[in-house]
Amino acid sequence: GNSVTQMEGPVTLSEEAFLTINCTYTATGYPSLFWYVQYPGEGLQLLLKATKADDKGSNKGFEATYRKETTSFHLEKGSVQVSDSAVYFCALSFSNTGKLIFGQGTTLQVKP
Amino acid sequence: GAGVSQSPSNKVTEKGKDVELRCDPISGHTALYWYRQSLGQGLEFLIYFQGNSAPDKSGLPSDRFSAERTGGSVSTLTIQRTQQEDSAVYLCASSSGGSVEQYFGPGTRLTVT
Repeated sequence: GNSVTQMEGPVTLSEEAFLTINCTYTATGYPSLFWYVQYPGEGLQLLLKATKADDKGSNKGFEATYRKETTSFHLEKGSVQVSDSAVYFCALSFSNTGKLIFGQGTTLQVKP
Repeated sequence: GAGVSQSPSNKVTEKGKDVELRCDPISGHTALYWYRQSLGQGLEFLIYFQGNSAPDKSGLPSDRFSAERTGGSVSTLTIQRTQQEDSAVYLCASSSGGSVEQYFGPGTRLTVT
């Protein structure tokens, strides 16, 4: 079946460090891929997306590239801030169903 | 414009009671989704409504769970004879026709005692 696997957290970084959160997927066909973020006490927000192979999604300094050959969609940011502390979810969906399949989430804590 | 809203924000109920959770999607969005977020199971899809089509109920965990969407807008998720394992945050999301982006509401935190 279709599934998403994320690196386990929590991830603890110092401010201005480089961030990578790994995400790989298993899917029949060609899904769209997403990163959602959940800040403390807030709801899920779409951070970025990519709908086809080699697409790069980007937002707020975060980037992720849809790699079909490695079935991956790793999240990166060059310099994290304390305000980036949150839980990050990788997800996939297919256009015909729309339902999101989520990874287990990765907690990021950035210390000043 | 207004985002997705859900009510109540918190609900505490006794085991065995029925509960109803409400979702108001973004105006004009034809697709509506329910998900559940729990410590043990992460984020799980429950049910999906798209326009006037039959809903995709493939994620509902048992026949105690049901949902309806009236007039193509507001949706109600009903859990009958609640159990402690139903304790979770229930999230609603909506999207416009043809879009892959889903917009989530703040959730309803359900606690079954």
